[in-house]
Amino acid sequence: NAGVTQTPKFRILKIGQSMTLQCTQDMNHNYMYWYRQDPGMGLKLIYYSVGAGITDKGEVPNGYNVSRSTTEDFPLRLELAAPSQTSVYFCASSTTGLSSYEQYFGPGTRLTVT
Amino acid sequence: DAKTTQPPSMDCAEGRAANLPCNHSTISGNEYVYWYRQIHSQGPQYIIHGLKNNETNEMASLIITEDRKSSTLILPHATLRDTAVYYCIVRAHTGAQKLVFGQGTRLTINP
Repeated sequence: NAGVTQTPKFRILKIGQSMTLQCTQDMNHNYMYWYRQDPGMGLKLIYYSVGAGITDKGEVPNGYNVSRSTTEDFPLRLELAAPSQTSVYFCASSTTGLSSYEQYFGPGTRLTVT
Repeated sequence: DAKTTQPPSMDCAEGRAANLPCNHSTISGNEYVYWYRQIHSQGPQYIIHGLKNNETNEMASLIITEDRKSSTLILPHATLRDTAVYYCIVRAHTGAQKLVFGQGTRLTINP
């Protein structure tokens, strides 16, 4: 199993540009999450999904959009990038049921908006 | 989800036990204590979780006080590879795991 994979690893965007951060998991997990981490801070939840076709906002959703058309993929879309979106973005997934205590994280995408 | 308080940083000598404290005085009866760590800039890694009993796995031990208002993560024989930021998170064990990360404790293991 590759686990949770994210692309790209690094990206520099100009203000106002758009991009999609890709996230894929091969563990057949129902739950998937997007977090952002600013320097020296803990992670903040942007959006999450409890299954294909179902998404919901987290703590900091403004400026982002998500979709979940398959169990495996959970892309995060940035529209009109702003310097405040400079951050490291982590995707994660987890299973359901009694064993759903562990969340698996991807390696992250480091985004700079200038 | 209950809020947690952790010291911002700690040091420990290699080979010694590292004891990381966490206060969660407003924890509810159905909320678990989870510990994750983040090595350098990698994605966080799950370590252990517990409700009220002490727990142990191959990575660490978790000691929860009887009133459940605080807990301690113990790394029994710390190595240099245990240098990381450790996050204590409290949440109910139902539904989507919307983890709320504080700033954690930056643990440095010294040779």
